[in-house]
Parts: sequence; C-alpha cells; structure tokens
Amino acid sequence: GQQVMQIPQYQHVQEGEDFTTYCNSSTTLSNIQWYKQRPGGHPVFLIQLVKSGEVKKQKRLTFQFGEAKKNSSLHITATQTTDVGTYFCAGGTGNQFYFGTGTSLTVIP
Amino acid sequence: EAGVTQSPTHLIKTRGQQATLRCSPISGHTSVYWYQQALGLGLQFLLWYDEGEERNRGNFPPRFSGRQFPNYSSELNVNALELEDSALYLCASSPGAGSTDTQYFGPGTRLTVL
Repeated sequence: GQQVMQIPQYQHVQEGEDFTTYCNSSTTLSNIQWYKQRPGGHPVFLIQLVKSGEVKKQKRLTFQFGEAKKNSSLHITATQTTDVGTYFCAGGTGNQFYFGTGTSLTVIP
Repeated sequence: EAGVTQSPTHLIKTRGQQATLRCSPISGHTSVYWYQQALGLGLQFLLWYDEGEERNRGNFPPRFSGRQFPNYSSELNVNALELEDSALYLCASSPGAGSTDTQYFGPGTRLTVL
C-alpha cells in the first residue's frame, strides 16, 4: 500500500546549523504539503508543492518537490530555537492524503 | 474566523468503555478528517468524511467509527476501549474533497484509557 516515509526520525542540531528532512513516497504524488507541529501543539500548514521539480522558499525554509513527484525535502538554513518541533510531509494522490512519519527537530542553543 | 474546534480537551475512560469525541470544522469546510497520534508517533489516518459521507478509512478496527452531521460537524466514536487507544486524537477540516486542499487542524482531544 501507499507509504510516505521521512528521514531522519530525529535530528539534533546546534543553533545556527542547517537542517534537512527528506520525504519519500512509494508512488507518484499529485502534490505534497508540509506541516509543523510544535511540542504540545497541533500540526500547522506550512506550504504546498504541486509541480514536478518545484522549489519554494519561506525565509530560511526551502522546500523542494522531486522531478518524479515521489520525494520532497525541507531545508532550514541557520536554525533557531523557534524551529523546534516535528515536521511532517503529507502526500496527496487521488482522494487520499498520506502523512509521513515526521522528523523531530531539536535545536540546542 | 474561528478555527477547527474539538471537545472535550481531555477525556479519561477505563478499558471497555466507549468514548465520543467531537469536532467542528471551519465555517464553509465540508471535509473532516480524523487522526490518531500516539505519544511520540506520527499521524495515523482514521477516517475522512465529506458532505456527510464516509470517503475513506484507515487501517483501524471497526470499533472506531464516526459520522458527519448536516452542519458538517463530526463525531468519532471508539467502542470497547483498550489501553493502546490512549492517544491524541486530531481533527482537521478542508474546504472540499480534493487532495490538493490544505488541512486545518484542531487542538485535539487527549484520550487516556486506564
């Protein structure tokens, strides 16, 4: 069945270092969305990518959608303590959404 | 504009009991999704309702059920509670039934089964 996997599961970085999480789907996706969940909070929508090879930026965050529309990445430049949380990707296909397993980011001040 | 609301915030039950969780979507949204998030784990898809009908369900036993009312609010029922049902239950809504729709999450209901 459809699976969306994320790596790494956990990541600890020093404040100021970069961070990347990768999302891989077993099948081609029609779109991919990224969500952030702060500790004790609920997932909040960050961005959606639809086109093959699409790249979008939000300040220090860069999102990419692979050419084959089966993988995506989120890169944070110069992490800050406010970046702490779990980042989920969610792949859309047909009438389904499949959330990734999430990457928990810890930023050490 | 009010966001997605869920009630209750916390719910404590004992094994074998039934739990009912409620969700009100953002005004104008017709789709409601339910997810289970066990401690330290990702989001496990439970159910999806749109326009009052169940569109899809995840890999959960039949004792997890729900419905969507004419006003698009939704209820999740969990029968014969087991200890491993303890989790945060998140509801999300979206404007329509397309896979390109953003999901807006509520604060969740923390269910504890003793």
